[in-house]
Amino acid sequence: DAKTTQPNSMESNEEEPVHLPCNHSTISGTDYIHWYRQLPSQGPEYVIHGLTSNVNNRMASLAIAEDRKSSTLILHRATLRDAAVYYCILREPDFPGYALNFGKGTSLLVTP
Amino acid sequence: KAGVTQTPRYLIKTRGQQVTLSCSPISGHRSVSWYQQTPGQGLQFLFEYFSETQRNKGNFPGRFSGRQFSNSRSEMNVSTLELGDSALYLCASSLGQVISPLHFGNGTRLTVT
Repeated sequence: DAKTTQPNSMESNEEEPVHLPCNHSTISGTDYIHWYRQLPSQGPEYVIHGLTSNVNNRMASLAIAEDRKSSTLILHRATLRDAAVYYCILREPDFPGYALNFGKGTSLLVTP
Repeated sequence: KAGVTQTPRYLIKTRGQQVTLSCSPISGHRSVSWYQQTPGQGLQFLFEYFSETQRNKGNFPGRFSGRQFSNSRSEMNVSTLELGDSALYLCASSLGQVISPLHFGNGTRLTVT
């Protein structure tokens, strides 16, 4: 899988939007961009994924750059419950067997 | 819909012993993956099973093995435990299609003394 680069940590105030960046300059044309997050003492949780177009779901939005070399996960109003480690992962579409490369992720701190 | 269930939640074993961890996937999910999480190495892929067949294996020694049953439930076994095997072991299930999201359990915390 191609590699991703994320900041080690970010901080946000509660109820403010959060933009979590991810660089993936070696992304191939068919790689999907997936985001997962891991809350303390829990397993990772799927957040969102996309290919080329921006995506929205009930948890977050995913903004993908036009050249696909970077993407941003957007939490529209951060809550204390959003404090977690966020992982940006690239997935090749034609490889079965699902071996996700989680990397170190971004640790998000949300303050009241 | 019930989530992924892993048992037991906690285990304490002694060096040299063996251990079996269990994972019950979400109903209808045919793919089960296993990951090891440690503070130093982060989340590392162990193996993935789909319809009782191992499709992929990570870079772990042969002491780590797994299997999947016809009802998609999976077990992983670690033989001849070493101190370095102390970790959180996470199981994830999915529909098995190439972009299907993974659904993780809360893991089994294994401590080897």
